[in-house]
Amino acid sequence: DAKTTQPPSMDCAEGRAANLPCNHSTISGNEYVYWYRQIHSQGPQYIIHGLKNNETNEMASLIITEDRKSSTLILPHATLRDTAVYYCIVRAGDTGTASKLTFGTGTRLQVTL
Amino acid sequence: EAGVVQSPRYKIIEKKQPVAFWCNPISGHNTLYWYRQNLGQGPELLIRYENEEAVDDSQLPKDRFSAERLKGVDSTLKIQPAELGDSAVYLCASSFSGRGYEQYFGPGTRLTVT
Repeated sequence: DAKTTQPPSMDCAEGRAANLPCNHSTISGNEYVYWYRQIHSQGPQYIIHGLKNNETNEMASLIITEDRKSSTLILPHATLRDTAVYYCIVRAGDTGTASKLTFGTGTRLQVTL
Repeated sequence: EAGVVQSPRYKIIEKKQPVAFWCNPISGHNTLYWYRQNLGQGPELLIRYENEEAVDDSQLPKDRFSAERLKGVDSTLKIQPAELGDSAVYLCASSFSGRGYEQYFGPGTRLTVT
């Protein structure tokens, strides 16, 4: 699976959009981008994933560049409860379990008043 | 719907002692995972089960770690004997077969080996 690069930490004011970048310049054509987050003292939580089109769900939006070498997770109106470590993961395939999730060190997002 | 249940939440043991962690996955999830998370790091997969079968245990230190999922539902991860370096959070996760990208994690067991 392709390696990802994320900033170690970011701050965001409550109510503002949080834009979390991820670089995956060596991504292959069959690899998807997945985002998880881990709130303190909890297990990771799946957020969203995509291949090449932008995706949106009730939690966030995922913007993938046209060359697929980077992506941005957007939390449109961050709240204090969004304070967490956010992991960007690149993994082959959209179904099945043949390829495991490889977590890096992620981005620690601090949402402040 | 209940989430992934793990017990105990915290465990403190002396080195060379045995320890066991228990996990009950979400009902209907055939795939079960055990991860280890060291301080400041992301989780690392130890073992993955499809029903009762361990299909990926390449990262499990087999000299001291063992796991079982006898009836394809709940699972136990054991360490014997524990070493100081085993101090970490042990996370259990589950998913539907075919949706391994969407894993549901339990709260983890924080192990401290003294």
